[in-house]
Amino acid sequence: KNEVEQSPQNLTAQEGEFITINCSYSVGISALHWLQQHPGGGIVSLFMLSSGKKKHGRLIATINIQEKHSSLHITASHPRDSAVYICAVRVGNQFYFGTGTSLTVIP
Amino acid sequence: GAGVSQSPSNKVTEKGKDVELRCDPISGHTALYWYRQRLGQGLEFLIYFQGNSAPDKSGLPSDRFSAERTGESVSTLTIQRTQQEDSAVYLCASSLSQVAYGYTFGSGTRLTVV
Repeated sequence: KNEVEQSPQNLTAQEGEFITINCSYSVGISALHWLQQHPGGGIVSLFMLSSGKKKHGRLIATINIQEKHSSLHITASHPRDSAVYICAVRVGNQFYFGTGTSLTVIP
Repeated sequence: GAGVSQSPSNKVTEKGKDVELRCDPISGHTALYWYRQRLGQGLEFLIYFQGNSAPDKSGLPSDRFSAERTGESVSTLTIQRTQQEDSAVYLCASSLSQVAYGYTFGSGTRLTVV
């Protein structure tokens, strides 16, 4: 069993839709990261969370430590948001990654 | 430089040869991470440096893999006696510290073992 589970694996949305990507984990964590990987392979760190909620532009990330669950929301989605979104958790000095959610936003 | 720099960007090597991959983190970033992504698969954590020390090396896939960091700056990941299953994109990321800050990723080294 993977320590980090993401859903959905694939997501197609129309431009403008509100998008939610979920991440559940089974271990005690120090922090949770949301990463964005573009088709060319480059990775960008979007958020690092240890509690509560963070917002950056149209992106919102929340975490519920008790439920071991995090969500990444994208408001007013745009084709340029098309990418793979990866949830990663830090446990001590180790990191565990979800398999990613492939998002395609259609104009 | 402004970002995390990795070199070479591409490396093709023959099975059994040794390779060395280099990562130049952002100046002042004390935390440095190595990851691997095999084709079609997710990210895999390899090793983390805080300063020049690696507190936990258990993520390295085998004893053919080693990494070092000097001057709290450049890090090298060395793979000895490369095997075809080592083919992957090797990514480096750095952070101001492990605790409170996000990461900046390099563009990776694509290693192909033939």
